[in-house]
Amino acid sequence: DQQVKQNSPSLSVQEGRISILNCDYTNSMFDYFLWYKKYPAEGPTFLISISSIKDKNEDGRFTVFLNKSAKHLSLHIVPSQPGDSAVYFCAARETSGSRLTFGEGTQLTVNP
Amino acid sequence: KAGVTQTPRYLIKTRGQQVTLSCSPISGHRSVSWYQQTPGQGLQFLFEYFSETQRNKGNFPGRFSGRQFSNSRSEMNVSTLELGDSALYLCASSLWEGFPSPLHFGNGTRLTVT
Repeated sequence: DQQVKQNSPSLSVQEGRISILNCDYTNSMFDYFLWYKKYPAEGPTFLISISSIKDKNEDGRFTVFLNKSAKHLSLHIVPSQPGDSAVYFCAARETSGSRLTFGEGTQLTVNP
Repeated sequence: KAGVTQTPRYLIKTRGQQVTLSCSPISGHRSVSWYQQTPGQGLQFLFEYFSETQRNKGNFPGRFSGRQFSNSRSEMNVSTLELGDSALYLCASSLWEGFPSPLHFGNGTRLTVT
């Protein structure tokens, strides 16, 4: 049972444009959501998070939106840069726990 | 501040052997978690330790075990290695158990079982 799903395995955008990565979840007990970026041969790097009491969180070029009724979150990167090319994972945590459940990842390619 | 450090970076073992992986968390972080990443299963939770106690365990066989020391450093052990145990093993630490703080990952140990 895949509780966190990233339905797009890959996304390609032009430098300077917006990148939108999507994530859906099924578990209503999730209350904290995170996005990670991963380069080959490195561990995931934390980007941004959002608590379920909010619907938006912004940090520089990165904004995460949470739609609890739709059980959907998205990561917006504006403007996209070639260095943003990596695999992006969304992750979720239950209210009472600390374990993260990860999506399958989306490979973002930003073309110069 | 130094990040999460995992040793070794690469390991090659033979089926049936056992292996021990090491993790040093970020200074001040008391919670340490372990994840397995494989192409087919993605990132899967193994277990989490806080103050030397296992707080949570994922759906892995008993061959996978771990521990945490008083300085928060952690080790995980896999006994009787199988080919399917080949994976990237990631350790992550966080500031405060139960508080919504993000996990910070190390660069992992790439285990190959032949």
